[in-house]
Amino acid sequence: DIQLTQSPSFLSASVGDRVTITCRPSQGVSSYLAWYQQKPGKAPKLLIYAVSTLQTGVPSRFSGSGAGTKFTLTISSLQPEDFATYYCQQLNSYPHTFGQGTKLEIK
Amino acid sequence: EVQLVQSGAEVKKPGESLKISCKGSGYSFTSYWIAWVRQMPGKGLEWMGIIYPGDSDIRYSPSFQGQVTISADRSISTAYLQWTSLKASDTAMYYCARPSINEEGFDFWGQGTLVTVS
Repeated sequence: DIQLTQSPSFLSASVGDRVTITCRPSQGVSSYLAWYQQKPGKAPKLLIYAVSTLQTGVPSRFSGSGAGTKFTLTISSLQPEDFATYYCQQLNSYPHTFGQGTKLEIK
Repeated sequence: EVQLVQSGAEVKKPGESLKISCKGSGYSFTSYWIAWVRQMPGKGLEWMGIIYPGDSDIRYSPSFQGQVTISADRSISTAYLQWTSLKASDTAMYYCARPSINEEGFDFWGQGTLVTVS
């Protein structure tokens, strides 16, 4: 199985901050890397797929980048509705593993 | 409109069996994979397995192989996740989700089914 390690696990930030979350696969995942946002009591929501493609309707303050064994999700200017938990996922090979999550909290 | 609608919350006793469902609508059910994802209380997302209803091809995570059974009924556009003997450790929220046609991300999710084993 491909392991995905996210860092940090917890992140405290303020509205307007720029934040970056990192996802490191244990082996190559080609471009099959996606990012999700999950709020309490809700199903996850797809934000970015294929490393850097924004899902329809997702604000442009979200962006993804990376290659090989390092990928990042960046939120350019945090908004109040962005405080949530974020997960990366690889869909290169089965099982399509998720990272352990990054909880983004209000400072 | 694409929708995945899951069956309701369940409360079961250890050793009981259970089958939960996920009904797809608004798209060609047989043309997309459907995955199941577990989320234990306060924990992260775990990919359990996936089925292609078009030909019933199924892939399991090694962590869940032999613990659950995934199936689908094309005639009613419904995927299933079942257990033959539940354990307390199966208590979790279970989501079904649909990968995009290029399998680059799960673009639609069910609302989740909470299974409590106690």
